[in-house]
This record gives sequence, C-alpha cells and structure tokens, in this order.
Amino acid sequence: SSELTQDPAVSVALGQTVRITCQGDSLRTYYPSWYQQKPGQAPVLVFYGKNSRPSGIPDRFSGSSSGNTASLTITGAQAEDEADYYCYTGDSSAKHAVFGGGTNVTVL
Amino acid sequence: QVQLQESGPGLVKPSQTLSLTCTVSGGSISSGGYYWSWIRQHPGKGLEWIGNIHYSGTTNYNPSLKSRVIISVDTSTNQFSLKVSSVTAADTAVYYCARRISNAFDVWGQGTLVTVSS
Repeated sequence: SSELTQDPAVSVALGQTVRITCQGDSLRTYYPSWYQQKPGQAPVLVFYGKNSRPSGIPDRFSGSSSGNTASLTITGAQAEDEADYYCYTGDSSAKHAVFGGGTNVTVL
Repeated sequence: QVQLQESGPGLVKPSQTLSLTCTVSGGSISSGGYYWSWIRQHPGKGLEWIGNIHYSGTTNYNPSLKSRVIISVDTSTNQFSLKVSSVTAADTAVYYCARRISNAFDVWGQGTLVTVSS
C-alpha cells in the first residue's frame, strides 16, 4: 500500500513535548520526510531521512522511524510551532510518492 | 540559494488544459540528483504529489493523474512545466513546484492558486 495515515489533530501545552505519527507499509522500506505548513504559506521541510534536519530548523524537531510507523517529535513546543504537519515517503526515483493526510498541531 | 517561482493563468475553463511553469533561480536545473516536482493542495485539504522530472527528461507521475498530466523540462531556460488536460472543478488547487533530493522536498515555490471555472 502507498497510503500514509496521520492523526488529524493533536494539541500540546506550551513547552511540552508532542509526537506526530505517520503509519504506512512504505515506511518499512523508505525513510519519511516531514513538512510544516502554516496558513497561507508553502510547506517547509523540517526533518528527513534517518536523522537529518535542514539548516535553520530548530533542534527541538526530531524524527524516528520503526517498522511501519514514523514519528516527528517537537520537544518543548513553542507557539510558532502551531501548524499543519505532513509526512511523505517514496522510493529513490519518486516513482511512488505519497503524502500523509496531515496533522494539525495546536499549542495551548 | 535556489529559489522556485510558479507562473501561469489563475483561471482555467473546464475541459481546457492547465499550464504552469516553474522557474529555477540561484542554481542549475541540470544539477544531478534532483527531481523537479509538482505538488498540489486542494482548498482546505492536504498535499497531493502530481509528478516529477529529472533534467534528463525521466518522469514519474501519480497514477491517479497520469492519464492527464505531462511534465516537461527546458534546461536552456532553467524551467520545468506542468500540463493537466481536461480539467474540472476538482483540479482547483494551489499548485506548488518543489525540488526533491534524497526523498525530501527541500525547496518549494510560494504556490499559485488555479481555479477551474467557466
């Protein structure tokens, strides 16, 4: 299956930790990448591969993957982390590329 | 750094062909290892991968759109393009172009809204 499943919404208290999960069979083979999207803006890559964070992304964003489940963790969530988060995976030639449905993160 | 910019009509009539171009600046589209991609987002919905192209011309498409989509590249102008034929209201979306490397889209355009309406 090429589908990726995400919880539609999660909330986190300011300064606390939140884990956003992504499930799908393709995650057994390929690492995911994670995107943050704020209203009216283009998505931004926040984590990818086994353990890579783009330049400029705070180190409170981290990722992990095991079996058919991948997770993006925000440790010490800030108000500016309130956004939609999408996972993505596919093979190296992007022959089979799919995004998860997205998770809306609310920081309380 | 590399920047991407989408351009094209914001309004397309039903049954016609949607055409968009993505201009790559700050780097060469012919740099190896990158796939140049189109992604769309229906209003209020999630992201949908449309397809991508390598500068060599190799393409991959979303199976659900493959019959109506063509992506092409012009290395002389540092641009790649998207054509979606026989559009309907269901093709109304924000269309993004993006650069893909190692299973991640690391650079995105700002997106352009295309509305399909008569």
